[in-house]
Amino acid sequence: GQNIDQPTEMTATEGAIVQINCTYQTSGFNGLFWYQQHAGEAPTFLSYNVLDGLEEKGRFSSFLSRSKGYSYLLLKELQMKDSASYLCAVMDSNYQLIWGAGTKLIIKP
Amino acid sequence: EAGVVQSPRYKIIEKKQPVAFWCNPISGHNTLYWYLQNLGQGPELLIRYENEEAVDDSQLPKDRFSAERLKGVDSTLKIQPAELGDSAVYLCASSPGAGDTDTQYFGPGTRLTVL
Repeated sequence: GQNIDQPTEMTATEGAIVQINCTYQTSGFNGLFWYQQHAGEAPTFLSYNVLDGLEEKGRFSSFLSRSKGYSYLLLKELQMKDSASYLCAVMDSNYQLIWGAGTKLIIKP
Repeated sequence: EAGVVQSPRYKIIEKKQPVAFWCNPISGHNTLYWYLQNLGQGPELLIRYENEEAVDDSQLPKDRFSAERLKGVDSTLKIQPAELGDSAVYLCASSPGAGDTDTQYFGPGTRLTVL
């Protein structure tokens, strides 16, 4: 079966750095997405990786290793507004997005 | 540019009643998705449209759920009759349709409560 694993919840301090990991087992791979979802709101797109390596976008970076079935989202200089759930999703060989359950990130002052 | 629009935002109904949700995708987006999301879970695809054609409805419970996108623009998702287990957030998303790995943009969702 297809599976996306990410931690259920993480806590970090304002101004610090946090890394949210995602491992996946899917039938085929056509890219990995990270979305941010604030409570009661829609998921919003953060990043897309299809090749190995690090993609940097401001305070957020996303890394992919296809051979290891592994990705992480790195958030720097954490702000209180970064408190949200972060969803990892993999596009399989049928171009269908397989979603993880999300990681709830709690930022403390 | 307007995002994906959904209505209503909230709906409370008694079990066995019908309910309908409406979605207007981002202008020019050919691909439209309906997802269901339970609390603490990721979205689960119900149906995907390419223009007016349903290209993936394998996860849609067809005994009670139906959807349409008659003119290839806005779409309606219906549940009849609703069951207690249908309580969830129903998300609509759209993507340009220029490529299979298009980024999906989500609407705010409809939170359904079935009593």
